[in-house]
Amino acid sequence: AQKITQTQPGMFVQEKEAVTLDCTYDTSDQSYGLFWYKQPSSGEMIFLIYQGSYDEQNATEGRYSLNFQKARKSANLVISASQLGDSAMYFCAMREGDGYSGGGADGLTFGKGTHLIIQP
Amino acid sequence: KAGVTQTPRYLIKTRGQQVTLSCSPISGHRSVSWYQQTPGQGLQFLFEYFSETQRNKGNFPGRFSGRQFSNSRSEMNVSTLELGDSALYLCASSLDGRGMGTDTQYFGPGTRLTVL
Repeated sequence: AQKITQTQPGMFVQEKEAVTLDCTYDTSDQSYGLFWYKQPSSGEMIFLIYQGSYDEQNATEGRYSLNFQKARKSANLVISASQLGDSAMYFCAMREGDGYSGGGADGLTFGKGTHLIIQP
Repeated sequence: KAGVTQTPRYLIKTRGQQVTLSCSPISGHRSVSWYQQTPGQGLQFLFEYFSETQRNKGNFPGRFSGRQFSNSRSEMNVSTLELGDSALYLCASSLDGRGMGTDTQYFGPGTRLTVL
């Protein structure tokens, strides 16, 4: 089974509208981190937002918020008031483990991404 | 503070050759991870180094290797290149004393490797 599932391969959104990008995850670990990254056509992965498994509040960073529903294993990214510069690939990722098991936390596991295009 | 830097940015090699990619982490970051990105397989974890030791490894053949120096800079090496090794290789650094799942990784611009 895939550990990170992003069900929207591509999305077209009008400028200034809000956008929700879906992400579901699968893990049996109690301690894990969920991350969203943006990858423009230049290729660099830009960190957007992080949510820890023990965090009770949804994370927010400027126009980005993470809708974390732990029981549903869902971590959707919400972008408010979208801008043309938001056009890019968006990846949801998870890092499992708490670093106390000796081997350290695992590497990031990424979803396949959502290609978001903002239209004027 | 300067971000993660990777050199070279672009590389063209032929089958059978070997290649070395370099990564300099954000100042103060002690963990460096490497990822491979291809259109078919997506983003896949290669390995992670901390304090000059490989701490975690993904599911890649032994042709892929790496190391970390005392200043936290890291190199990865791919020997006997195959056509399928053509990819964007991304390096990421994090603060990390323990490899906590909560530690955020910051990525460099990547090295685009083409194998002919």
